[in-house]
Amino acid sequence: DGGITQSPKYLFRKEGQNVTLSCEQNLNHDAMYWYRQDPGQGLRLIYYSQIVNDFQKGDIAEGYSVSREKKESFPLTVTSAQKNPTAFYLCASSIAGTQETQYFGPGTRLLVL
Amino acid sequence: GENVEQHPSTLSVQEGDSAVIKCTYSDSASNYFPWYKQELGKRPQLIIDIRSNVGEKKDQRIAVTLNKTAKHFSLHITETQPEDSAVYFCAASGLKGAGSYQLTFGKGTKLSVIP
Repeated sequence: DGGITQSPKYLFRKEGQNVTLSCEQNLNHDAMYWYRQDPGQGLRLIYYSQIVNDFQKGDIAEGYSVSREKKESFPLTVTSAQKNPTAFYLCASSIAGTQETQYFGPGTRLLVL
Repeated sequence: GENVEQHPSTLSVQEGDSAVIKCTYSDSASNYFPWYKQELGKRPQLIIDIRSNVGEKKDQRIAVTLNKTAKHFSLHITETQPEDSAVYFCAASGLKGAGSYQLTFGKGTKLSVIP
């Protein structure tokens, strides 16, 4: 898990603003994931990507967008359409195509001003 | 899609006692079941996992059992220590199509070990 980094640690969003969360990994993993965690809830999948230039919606994709231009990077944009963005966002990676362990980054806590 | 139920939501045990957390899942095609431990404000970390061709797996004080017929799996922690205090999540992974797997998580169990 030390091979996945997320930035920033804390992020503040103003109403109507889009913000982008960074996720980078040096584990040479093909698959990357974004999860949202709310208090008392489990992790819910936002988007995932199995390969560069391809990604799929998870269970709660509305109000979010992603890109996968490089194998190492999978940034998440929280758009103004996401009306309740306050949460802890976790990025993860794993070897694609197999049921291997997902390794998590340290997370970004997003707060609304 | 997959649905994972986890119980209890909170669990308090005396140091040295055992703790058991149970999960059920709905998709009979799921065949990989990891358990994660998350300390406050930190990232989830894998503590043990089990695959559908195995009924039980142990790693020191931690064990996981799987009953595929009943679609439930459990985490057992023996000789609990204060540093075991954390939130524990179970998850189930099933094939979602085109060779991709998704993990569906339970809502977590907050374990408190009282010294």
